[in-house]
Amino acid sequence: GDSVTQMEGPVTLSEEAFLTINCTYTATGYPSLFWYVQYPGEGLQLLLKATKADDKGSNKGFEATYRKETTSFHLEKGSVQVSDSAVYFCALSDGGTSYGKLTFGQGTILTVHP
Amino acid sequence: DTAVSQTPKYLVTQMGNDKSIKCEQNLGHDTMYWYKQDSKKFLKIMFSYNNKELIINETVPNRFSPKSPDKAHLNLHINSLELGDSAVYFCASSYEPGTIYFGEGSWLTVV
Repeated sequence: GDSVTQMEGPVTLSEEAFLTINCTYTATGYPSLFWYVQYPGEGLQLLLKATKADDKGSNKGFEATYRKETTSFHLEKGSVQVSDSAVYFCALSDGGTSYGKLTFGQGTILTVHP
Repeated sequence: DTAVSQTPKYLVTQMGNDKSIKCEQNLGHDTMYWYKQDSKKFLKIMFSYNNKELIINETVPNRFSPKSPDKAHLNLHINSLELGDSAVYFCASSYEPGTIYFGEGSWLTVV
């Protein structure tokens, strides 16, 4: 079945550091890929998405590129802020007959210190 | 003007009790979900409804019963609560595959 694997956390960075959170996936067909963010005490919010190979999703300074050859969708940000501290989830949706359900990675906790 | 709202936000109850969590979305979406997040933050889908029709039931115990009276509401009823049911339950809705709007979660603690 479909699966998503993220790098182990927690990740701790200083403000303005470069961020990479690795994500790889296994899926049949051609999934769409997503990054969701969960701030403390809140529900998940869509951060960015890419629906086909080589697409780049971007939002709020975060970027991720859909790499079919390496089955990856790594999240990057050039300069993190304290307000980026949250849990980040990589996810895929295998449109087909899955009715849009998301398969999530295990989440990566990011803490950014001033 | 909350898009996906669920109540209660916090629920502490004893083993063996029956409880319900209600969810409403005002986005006009056809598809609604229940997801469960465990203590390690792992998220897993439980149910999905499309226009009041159950379309996904992911090996959830029979003690969990979703009900969708209309496409804007999806409630979750849990019978005979167990310690292992303690988790955060998220209601969500969507209009296209994968782009999902989540509620703020209901923190269930079974003691």
